[in-house]
Amino acid sequence: ETGVTQSPTHLIKTRGQQVTLRCSSQSGHNTVSWYQQALGQGPQFIFQYYREEENGRGNFPPRFSGLQFPNYSSELNVNALELDDSALYLCASSEDRAYNSPLHFGNGTRLTVT
Amino acid sequence: SQQGEEDPQALSIQEGENATMNCSYKTSINNLQWYRQNSGRGLVHLILIRSNEREKHSGRLRVTLDTSKKSSSLLITASRAADTASYFCATDPFPGANSKLTFGKGITLSVRP
Repeated sequence: ETGVTQSPTHLIKTRGQQVTLRCSSQSGHNTVSWYQQALGQGPQFIFQYYREEENGRGNFPPRFSGLQFPNYSSELNVNALELDDSALYLCASSEDRAYNSPLHFGNGTRLTVT
Repeated sequence: SQQGEEDPQALSIQEGENATMNCSYKTSINNLQWYRQNSGRGLVHLILIRSNEREKHSGRLRVTLDTSKKSSSLLITASRAADTASYFCATDPFPGANSKLTFGKGITLSVRP
């Protein structure tokens, strides 16, 4: 069973640039969620994708966008980067939007915006 | 916004001792989950307790849930140095959130050899 993988592991960008983060979900999982974790904080929900459609969004501006592909892998795009976007970005997959389904996390992408 | 609030923020114990961590939350839930995170890496799911359950065990872990008080506790028995990590509670809100979890700020657990 292949776990959740994310790329790249680290990234440094300049304020105003755009970034794309990638995630491959665990085999058999068709739901992908993205979280942002600032230093010393818990993860904050960005959005969730189910079968290529956005299925819920947290309190993040429209410059945070995403995609899910037919193989259930996913991308997180952030435009017009701000210093406060520096964080660990975590992707998690789960089974079929089921209630009471735990999340399986990747090891994250550490984004630094200078 | 972060619904769950863990208590204490940091905990330091000797190997072999038990560690108790508490979590409070604000809204109705489908379930409450506990996760562990080592050194800024990905989170690992530990245990899930449903809103109609009061206690659950998994190996050295015991979790309780009191929905009337909107609180949960995680007990790790016979702690090991390898248990050193950050622990987060996360709530799956009711109704219909489907695993869009709200996490607390976490508890840093240090287990001294």
